[in-house]
Order: sequence, then C-alpha cells, then structure tokens
Amino acid sequence: AQTVTQSQPEMSVQEAETVTLSCTYDTSESDYYLFWYKQPPSRQMILVIRQEAYKQQNATENRFSVNFQKAAKSFSLKISDSQLGDAAMYFCAYRAQGAQKLVFGQGTRLTINP
Amino acid sequence: DTAVSQTPKYLVTQMGNDKSIKCEQNLGHDTMYWYKQDSKKFLKIMFSYNNKELIINETVPNRFSPKSPDKAHLNLHINSLELGDSAVYFCASSAQRSLAALTDTQYFGPGTRLTVL
Repeated sequence: AQTVTQSQPEMSVQEAETVTLSCTYDTSESDYYLFWYKQPPSRQMILVIRQEAYKQQNATENRFSVNFQKAAKSFSLKISDSQLGDAAMYFCAYRAQGAQKLVFGQGTRLTINP
Repeated sequence: DTAVSQTPKYLVTQMGNDKSIKCEQNLGHDTMYWYKQDSKKFLKIMFSYNNKELIINETVPNRFSPKSPDKAHLNLHINSLELGDSAVYFCASSAQRSLAALTDTQYFGPGTRLTVL
C-alpha cells in the first residue's frame, strides 16, 4: 500500500524568509501524481501545487516550488518570501495514475513569525 | 461562486442519532469523494463515486451510507452516531479526463465539523 510521510509535525519561519517542508512517499507505481494542499484555520483545503511523476521539471507556482526526487521518493515544498497568510497546516498527498483516492501525509503545521 | 459546497458546516448531535451531510459541486465533475479528518488532522478517504456509481468504499462501518442522486451531489448519511464519529468530513470532486480513468485534481469543500456528545 502507498504511504506518505511528513516527518516535521511543526515548522516555523520568519516572515520574508524561505522554508522547506519535507515529504516522502512509498509506492511501487511508476506513474503517479503528487500534491501539496494547504489548510488554514478556516479549515478549507486549498491546492497549492501538483507534480506529475513523469515530468522531470519541478513544478512552480509563484512563491511555491517543489523539489521532486523520484528515485529518492521525495517531494519537498519550498515557500519563498514567507507571508503571514502562509500560516497553515500543509499536507502532502499522493495519487496513483488511474486511481481515485488521495493518500495524505500527517501534515506539517507552519507558523510564520512576524 | 462556490465550487464545492457542504451543509451544514457545523453539526452537534447526541450519540445514537441519525444525521446527514450534503455536498454539491458546480464544476461539472464526474467524481465525488468523502474524506474524514480526525482529531489529529489525519485525512483519509471514505468513499468515492463516479457518475453516481460507488467506486471506493474504504472499510467504513455500514452505519455510513453515501447517496448520489446525480453526479453533482453526494450526500453522507450516518446512522446511530458514536463518539468516535466526531471529526471533520470533507467532500471533494474531480473531473475524469479520459477513458483511461485518469482523474484530475481534487477540489475540496469547506468541511463539516461533526461533534457527537
């Protein structure tokens, strides 16, 4: 069974600094998708960024970028120029190609210090 | 415009009662899901429906019964509520891109916080 591990229950960063959230996963599949979702105190799950495993290029969305290492099964999220509004729980998620369900990691609570 | 909506957002009820949570999406998606987020924030799939057909049932007690009257709606009915059912329940939806059953990004509703007393 696929599993997703986020080894950092909590992280904090100074406003305007850069922070990296870690995620590793275990799968025997070769084709799959990886996601980072953000859950602010409002509870809404918001998609931050997605990566297709067949793409070598790392995905980027404005201040958010990933470091996808397929051989190492690692998918970290880098947030540049951190803003107070980035404070939230961040969840890494995996979905096998053709599968319906997302498998989530345990989440990392990110605090932004002003 | 709300893409995926859930009602109610909060639900407080006594043990043993029966309750329903409704979900609607206006994205034209074919596939809908129910996820449960426990007190430790862990999210896990419960059910998935594709065009009103049940695709995934992840060993959820049969007190939980999803119902999809059409592909834009997926409701969750819970019988004989127990203390352990207290959680946040998220509805989500995604498009089905092709005959190969590739599914697109899942978009989540705002969640329903269920508290069983």
